[in-house]
Amino acid sequence: GESVGLHLPTLSVQEGDNSIINCAYSNSASDYFIWYKQESGKGPQFIIDIRSNMDKRQGQRVTVLLNKTVKHLSLQIAATQPGDSAVYFCAETQVAGNMLTFGGGTRLMVKP
Amino acid sequence: DVKVTQSSRYLVKRTGEKVFLECVQDMDHENMFWYRQDPGLGLRLIYFSYDVKMKEKGDIPEGYSVSREKKERFSLILESASTNQTSMYLCASTRVDSPPEQYFGPGTRLTVT
Repeated sequence: GESVGLHLPTLSVQEGDNSIINCAYSNSASDYFIWYKQESGKGPQFIIDIRSNMDKRQGQRVTVLLNKTVKHLSLQIAATQPGDSAVYFCAETQVAGNMLTFGGGTRLMVKP
Repeated sequence: DVKVTQSSRYLVKRTGEKVFLECVQDMDHENMFWYRQDPGLGLRLIYFSYDVKMKEKGDIPEGYSVSREKKERFSLILESASTNQTSMYLCASTRVDSPPEQYFGPGTRLTVT
């Protein structure tokens, strides 16, 4: 079946460095992608999204890149802070369907 | 801000008990979802509802049922809890005519002993 996956289960970075979290997807019909952040003891929170007609989208300290050729999605966090420590999920959907398929999650650990 | 609340943060139940998990959203969203979250498996969809009294099975509906009597409330029911239903349960909602990012509640960690 179709799936969304992550390459690395845990990523450890130094405070102030940039972080890159990767995600591979296999459903070529997906046209909308979302990144969520889940802090310990909380539900996932929306970070940023991107539609398939875009290659890049920037938010505050975060950038999402989409490479449709290799079905790859990444989340870049600039100047990583201790508050960025969390599990990050990618999710995909076809906009019309409104159903999300989630990846397994990557834990980001920020070292002071 | 969208607010999705869940009735309990932590629950401990015995095998065979009937368990109710309640979810309420305050943004008049049409769609509501129940997921379970397990280490290494990510979020898996149990049931969803796109309107009052409407429900659809997700990927893992076995052992669960749902109820949506009011638009703002979506309940997950474990008719006879089993130890393999020990998990984190997450409720989410979204508006039908908006981009499909879902808004999540804080989760209920259920332990079945």
